[in-house]
Amino acid sequence: AQTVTQSQPEMSVQEAETVTLSCTYDTSESDYYLFWYKQPPSRQMILVIRQEAYKQQNATENRFSVNFQKAAKSFSLKISDSQLGDAAMYFCAYSFPQTGANNLFFGTGTRLTVIP
Amino acid sequence: KAGVTQTPRYLIKTRGQQVTLSCSPISGHRSVSWYQQTPGQGLQFLFEYFSETQRNKGNFPGRFSGRQFSNSRSEMNVSTLELGDSALYLCASSTDAFSYNEQFFGPGTRLTVL
Repeated sequence: AQTVTQSQPEMSVQEAETVTLSCTYDTSESDYYLFWYKQPPSRQMILVIRQEAYKQQNATENRFSVNFQKAAKSFSLKISDSQLGDAAMYFCAYSFPQTGANNLFFGTGTRLTVIP
Repeated sequence: KAGVTQTPRYLIKTRGQQVTLSCSPISGHRSVSWYQQTPGQGLQFLFEYFSETQRNKGNFPGRFSGRQFSNSRSEMNVSTLELGDSALYLCASSTDAFSYNEQFFGPGTRLTVL
């Protein structure tokens, strides 16, 4: 079974500080893709960052970066210089090219609060 | 370019009824996926359509069905509604079948079953 675990239901961070959201996953596949999606309150879910499992280099997108540990099946998200607009639910997810389909398997999410 | 749109945004139905939700993907996108979001089960994949063909289906009963039209618009139907079908139904579109592609989500349809 494909499972994605986000062990932190809620996190908080001071504005301008750094926060790390955890994600672990379980799969026997060697080829897969990892994602972090953000769902702001009452707004549409958007992609934050993504990583191909065969790439060892950690992906970065401006203030967002990941720490991808393939052997440990861990894919954490680091948000630097947190801003009020970062407050949202964050979902870790993965997909598998072998399925020939686009479906994402999501974790249960982490609600991030940014404190002014 | 307009984003993914879903109609209606809110829906209230009673048990036993059926419902049809609609999703219009971003222009040029040919893949449409549907997800159910509930507080208890989180985000669960329902099905994906690409070029009018269902490519994959999640673990949901046959009461849940969908289709995609030649213009890539998609509908999902739930028959014989149950209380547990109350959820936010999200539609997502992407350019093609490559699973690394970014999926663009709509605002969702909030279904309440009484």
